[in-house]
Amino acid sequence: DTAVSQTPKYLVTQMGNDKSIKCEQNLGHDTMYWYKQDSKKFLKIMFSYNNKELIINETVPNRFSPKSPDKAHLNLHINSLELGDSAVYFCASSQNAGADQPQHFGDGTRLSIL
Amino acid sequence: DQQVKQNSPSLSVQEGRISILNCDYTNSMFDYFLWYKKYPAEGPTFLISISSIKDKNEDGRFTVFLNKSAKHLSLHIVPSQPGDSAVYFCATNNAGNMLTFGGGTRLMVKP
Repeated sequence: DTAVSQTPKYLVTQMGNDKSIKCEQNLGHDTMYWYKQDSKKFLKIMFSYNNKELIINETVPNRFSPKSPDKAHLNLHINSLELGDSAVYFCASSQNAGADQPQHFGDGTRLSIL
Repeated sequence: DQQVKQNSPSLSVQEGRISILNCDYTNSMFDYFLWYKKYPAEGPTFLISISSIKDKNEDGRFTVFLNKSAKHLSLHIVPSQPGDSAVYFCATNNAGNMLTFGGGTRLMVKP
């Protein structure tokens, strides 16, 4: 059973569209995250979500919004897609938000903007 | 400005020898340092971590060393195996356990 699963694995869409990426974890974790890996392979945190508290990396445009229907899910919504949004997006989870808690990652969603 | 840097983009090592991956950071307030391994088309996998109050942590073939005065940590893999070939990221965490990653080092272990 996959611990952290993301769908879809690949997403190709036009500039200006709105899209969502789903993430589910079956580990019973309290905290979930979204990361972006850009074309230079740098992995950057976008959001941390723990017990309905959202921490946003200040560099993330407000076109990106995470939505958590329940503790096991943290979906990523992106409005008005731009060329620079092309990247691999990783979802992750950890037991809690403690500094010593390792994060478990999904296999990523490759988003390509035409 | 990168807070966590891995200055070697790649490293090639012979099977059975030691692999040493290095990482430098800028903020002396970081609490925890972690290493993740990543295979192509997969997400990063947690490998080993170290608290800022320690200078060494060992787990099987993997040892992480922390030199706080130099703001430097390293990952030693002994002995290296072909299955260790992957991209290795060092990371530290901020508020909310949000990780800041280095740029990664691609390790190739030759049989």
